[in-house]
Amino acid sequence: GAVVSQHPSWVICKSGTSVKIECRSLDFQATTMFWYRQFPKQSLMLMATSNEGSKATYEQGVEKDKFLINHASLTLSTLTVTSAHPEDSSFYICSARNRAPGGETQYFGPGTRLLVL
Amino acid sequence: QKEVEQDPGPLSVPEGAIVSLNCTYSNSAFQYFMWYRQYSRKGPELLMYTYSSGNKEDGRFTAQVDKSSKYISLFIRDSQPSDSATYLCAMRAGANNLFFGTGTRLTVIP
Repeated sequence: GAVVSQHPSWVICKSGTSVKIECRSLDFQATTMFWYRQFPKQSLMLMATSNEGSKATYEQGVEKDKFLINHASLTLSTLTVTSAHPEDSSFYICSARNRAPGGETQYFGPGTRLLVL
Repeated sequence: QKEVEQDPGPLSVPEGAIVSLNCTYSNSAFQYFMWYRQYSRKGPELLMYTYSSGNKEDGRFTAQVDKSSKYISLFIRDSQPSDSATYLCAMRAGANNLFFGTGTRLTVIP
């Protein structure tokens, strides 16, 4: 299947710093990229949807000034958690949608675990 | 009412058993149905992708979609300890966002 990579896989930072997470679709051009957040033993929560070259669409309750999303190309999206606080500690997962016969399929990255001290 | 309902389990079965995982949904516009497997501390991995109603088989995995009942299933034959994971159903209408079930935790006991 298609491959989506994320970097870094985990990060520990001090409160107040900013953290950037990269998401790349390695062997396809993604029509759309998504950012999710997942708390322990819970399902994925969609944070925002982005298309290349346009502004991201944020879900209700997600602060766009805190979670900056840049979708620079069809294979790269970045999520920057600005002025991170301990409550931002979570598992962040990106996803990319790929055109395929019978419709678009959606693949997930391996996730980035963020711990804010 | 949630868009997608999934029994969270946990579900424990002996090795070699047939596993049945299920989701129900309320939105009749859903057309694309997926099953993902997620190991602990990893991102979800796409297992099966089905468009509209019907069955799809891939190795030990079979996905079934019954749109008339708004019910989808994933069957795992000859289950292995390596199948132990959380299984998420997901679905969407057209180009819209995915709606996920809460996930079912499966443990296959050797």
